[in-house]
Amino acid sequence: AQTVTQSQPEMSVQEAETVTLSCTYDTSESDYYLFWYKQPPSRQMILVIRQEAYKQQNATENRFSVNFQKAAKSFSLKISDSQLGDAAMYFCAYRRGSNYKLTFGKGTLLTVNP
Amino acid sequence: SAVISQKPSRDICQRGTSLTIQCQVDSQVTMMFWYRQQPGQSLTLIATANQGSEATYESGFVIDKFPISRPNLTFSTLTVSNMSPEDSSIYLCSVEWGAYNEQFFGPGTRLTVL
Repeated sequence: AQTVTQSQPEMSVQEAETVTLSCTYDTSESDYYLFWYKQPPSRQMILVIRQEAYKQQNATENRFSVNFQKAAKSFSLKISDSQLGDAAMYFCAYRRGSNYKLTFGKGTLLTVNP
Repeated sequence: SAVISQKPSRDICQRGTSLTIQCQVDSQVTMMFWYRQQPGQSLTLIATANQGSEATYESGFVIDKFPISRPNLTFSTLTVSNMSPEDSSIYLCSVEWGAYNEQFFGPGTRLTVL
């Protein structure tokens, strides 16, 4: 079974600084997708970024970028120029290419200090 | 992305009663999902609901406890039956949308069972 591990229960960052959230996963599949979701206190789950396993290039969405290391099964999220609105729980998620089920990690609570 | 609404946004219920949660999407979608997020925990998939077929339940979840309806391509309901305090959670629906079948989430229903 696929598993997703987020080893950092909590992280903090100063406003305008950069922070990296870690995620590792375990799979024997070659076709899969990885995602980062953000859940602020409003509890709305927001898709932050997507990475296809077949792509070598790391995904980027504005201030959010990933470091995808396929051989190491690592998928970290970098947030640059952190803003107060980035404070949230961040979940890493895996989806097998041919199966639509999302498997989530336990989450990392990010605090942004002014 | 698809716009998803849920009703109710929150409710407080008595032990032994049932609550039906509605999920409405502004576009026609094939796949809809129901997740449970227990306090301080990650998301766990309850079931997948395809229009015109029976819902597919994950291990640990049964139809008698969590009956699901999917009458058309824009609407689904999840009922939490014979509730106990252990059912106190946030319940979220999600849909697949877009070229990469990304999952987008509704705002969630916060359920408290006394």
